[in-house]
Amino acid sequence: ETGVTQSPTHLIKTRGQQVTLRCSSQSGHNTVSWYQQALGQGPQFIFQYYREEENGRGNFPPRFSGLQFPNYSSELNVNALELDDSALYLCASSLGGTRGGIEQFFGPGTRLTVL
Amino acid sequence: AQSVTQLDSQVPVFEEAPVELRCNYSSSVSVYLFWYVQYPNQGLQLLLKYLSGSTLVESINGFEAEFNKSQTSFHLRKPSVHISDTAEYFCAVSDRVYGGSQGNLIFGKGTKLSVKP
Repeated sequence: ETGVTQSPTHLIKTRGQQVTLRCSSQSGHNTVSWYQQALGQGPQFIFQYYREEENGRGNFPPRFSGLQFPNYSSELNVNALELDDSALYLCASSLGGTRGGIEQFFGPGTRLTVL
Repeated sequence: AQSVTQLDSQVPVFEEAPVELRCNYSSSVSVYLFWYVQYPNQGLQLLLKYLSGSTLVESINGFEAEFNKSQTSFHLRKPSVHISDTAEYFCAVSDRVYGGSQGNLIFGKGTKLSVKP
């Protein structure tokens, strides 16, 4: 069973640029959630994708967007980067639907630095 | 909206001493509660969870947590800590379920446990 993987591990961008982060969900999972963890803070929910549809969104502006693909992998896109976007971005996968559980499994994260 | 409060940002403790990391959540209808652990430069690992049933839940590495509905708490305890327990611990509550999938997790700000020899 393959766990949740994320790429890249680290990324440095400048203000105004755009970035794409990637996540491969655990085998058999159909739901991906994205979280932003700023330094010294707990993770904050960005959005969730279930069967390729956005299925819930936190308090993040529209320049944070995402996709989920037929194999349930996912991308997080951030446009017009700001300094405050510097954070660890965590992806979590889970099994949704009537057979699903509550538990989310996290990847190692992508560390984004905006200069 | 749900919220989670972790009352201690840092907890220093000596090896083999007991420890309690405190967590309170805002009251709501049925809640699901979790403790996650984060080692330096790593993602989150699930330590234990409360979904229903027995209010005392245990992990495989000696941690336990007790769900107290009247006090809206889910404190994490270990009777004897090891150096390897040094990490940051996050308490989380699951928000409402959206459609056919799970709701999002709402995290506290974390407690850094530092175990000293």
